[in-house]
Amino acid sequence: TQLLEQSPQFLSIQEGENLTVYCNSSSVFSSLQWYRQEPGEGPVLLVTVVTGGEVKKLKRLTFQFGDARKDSSLHITAAQPGDTGLYLCAGRGGQGAQKLVFGQGTRLTINP
Amino acid sequence: DVKVTQSSRYLVKRTGEKVFLECVQDMDHENMFWYRQDPGLGLRLIYFSYDVKMKEKGDIPEGYSVSREKKERFSLILESASTNQTSMYLCASSLWVGGTYGYTFGSGTRLTVV
Repeated sequence: TQLLEQSPQFLSIQEGENLTVYCNSSSVFSSLQWYRQEPGEGPVLLVTVVTGGEVKKLKRLTFQFGDARKDSSLHITAAQPGDTGLYLCAGRGGQGAQKLVFGQGTRLTINP
Repeated sequence: DVKVTQSSRYLVKRTGEKVFLECVQDMDHENMFWYRQDPGLGLRLIYFSYDVKMKEKGDIPEGYSVSREKKERFSLILESASTNQTSMYLCASSLWVGGTYGYTFGSGTRLTVV
């Protein structure tokens, strides 16, 4: 069974600080996605990374896929209150695998 | 804009009731999924379907069944609701794009079983 472990599970920081969220596994994934979920809503896809070592940027958010495709990180620069939410990483297994395996999530709170 | 619609945002049901959760997508996606979300446990897959009338068990199918009679609709059925099925239920559909599957989620149904 493929598992994804996210750390930290909870993070509360002040506006303007930087932060990094980690998503780790002992399994190899063919691709990895990051979602953000706001209270009362479903998760919304932020980014997909498919190549080992790939880095993608979305404004102040930087996503990286590990070289071995077993881990990923999300870095937020100069966090804003609007970044508050639950961040979920999700991995897809081998070729053709339609299911995603989700991490347990990181609940991020940015205080004004 | 693509959309996955879940019929109810909140439901309260009694123990032993048969419960139907409905999900409709307007994107002509082949794959549809039902997850439940519990604090500290993330999203756990209950069932998924990759075509009409096709279904596969996910990680936690016990106590649930599903129905997919039309491509756009995927229903989750709790045969006899129990208090440990109190949870947030999320429906999703996916399409192969850009070398992977992109998921679109509904807004969720928060089910309370009393």
